[in-house]
Amino acid sequence: EPEVTQTPSHQVTQMGQEVILRCVPISNHLYFYWYRQILGQKVEFLVSFYNNEISEKSEIFDDQFSVERPDGSNFTLKIRSTKLEDSAMYFCATIQGVLSTDTQYFGPGTRLTVL
Amino acid sequence: KNQVEQSPQSLIILEGKNCTLQCNYTVSPFSNLRWYKQDTGRGPVSLTIMTFSENTKSNGRYTATLDADTKQSSLHITASQLSDSASYICVVAYNAGNMLTFGGGTRLMVKP
Repeated sequence: EPEVTQTPSHQVTQMGQEVILRCVPISNHLYFYWYRQILGQKVEFLVSFYNNEISEKSEIFDDQFSVERPDGSNFTLKIRSTKLEDSAMYFCATIQGVLSTDTQYFGPGTRLTVL
Repeated sequence: KNQVEQSPQSLIILEGKNCTLQCNYTVSPFSNLRWYKQDTGRGPVSLTIMTFSENTKSNGRYTATLDADTKQSSLHITASQLSDSASYICVVAYNAGNMLTFGGGTRLMVKP
């Protein structure tokens, strides 16, 4: 079965450094999402992306965050200057089509640790 | 503010037993309600998706119900297996399904 992949599985960085988290969506999927889950807390929506544009974003997704699909395959989340509170699991998810009931397929996540 | 609340927070049952997990939500405009299973350190995996007009939906040993009037949902697991040990997350989609609000999950442990 096709699956969403994410790299790296674990990223450790110093506060203030830039990080880029990568996601390879399922090949025929059109909508892409990033979520984060701070340890022991709920999954939180960050941003959705369609047709090379941000569709929706949450309050969490401030100017420190950006997303892009640079080469038509990878979907990336960049955090420009990491803070301690950015430490979390970051999940990429993708949907095939535009139906509201389409299943979101989640990747395995990247664990980001900011020291 | 859109919210999804789940109960209980955690549950321990014996292998082979049934259990029911609860979800209450205040999300608008409602699009659909989903149940996900999340193994520790992994991404959530979809179990069921229900729209406003659906009262019940099954996926193997998992049966979800939805009462859109009371804004409640439940997930019933039948004949539990050790592999059912995971967090079960209730998620409500809104804005035509483009955005999701997640509940805090119920952590289920199935013991032999």
